[in-house]
Amino acid sequence: AQKVTQAQTEISVVEKEDVTLDCVYETRDTTYYLFWYKQPPSGELVFLIRRNSFDEQNEISGRYSWNFQKSTSSFNFTITASQVVDSAVYFCALSGASYNTDKLIFGTGTRLQVFP
Amino acid sequence: DVKVTQSSRYLVKRTGEKVFLECVQDMDHENMFWYRQDPGLGLRLIYFSYDVKMKEKGDIPEGYSVSREKKERFSLILESASTNQTSMYLCASSFHRGYGYTFGSGTRLTVV
Repeated sequence: AQKVTQAQTEISVVEKEDVTLDCVYETRDTTYYLFWYKQPPSGELVFLIRRNSFDEQNEISGRYSWNFQKSTSSFNFTITASQVVDSAVYFCALSGASYNTDKLIFGTGTRLQVFP
Repeated sequence: DVKVTQSSRYLVKRTGEKVFLECVQDMDHENMFWYRQDPGLGLRLIYFSYDVKMKEKGDIPEGYSVSREKKERFSLILESASTNQTSMYLCASSFHRGYGYTFGSGTRLTVV
């Protein structure tokens, strides 16, 4: 069975601090995809990144970076120099490549609060 | 930009009512999904569809049904609403398996 664990329920930081959101996953598929979504107070989930299991390169996009490590089954998300606008709930998600596993499975989310 | 539109942002219904939640996407996506989101539980898949007229149960289908008569529209039906179905409902679509989903803004349903 597939599973995504986000152990951090809530994180509070002060603006300009760096913050890392943890994500650990479980799957038996050799081909799979990992995602991060942001859910601001408005409610809509916003796609941030997609990674396939064969690409372990870390990715950086502005203040956002992602660290994918197959050895520890982790796909962590770091926000550098956090801003108030980063306050949201962040979800990590996983999908496999076979019919039984190709639906997105989500973690329970991490609520990030950035204070000015 | 892909748009997924959910017809209602907030709904209040009475126990026992039949409730329809509508979702429309405008990018010709084959795949559509209904999730519900509850605090501490994340998003859980209710039903999905990979083609018109096709529907399959997700992880928590009990008490729900769906309809997909046209490619762009995927409706979630609560046959007889109950208070434990009070939740945020999110519709999503995707171009292909393994690709990210595009979500609607959600419908916050309260059953009283």
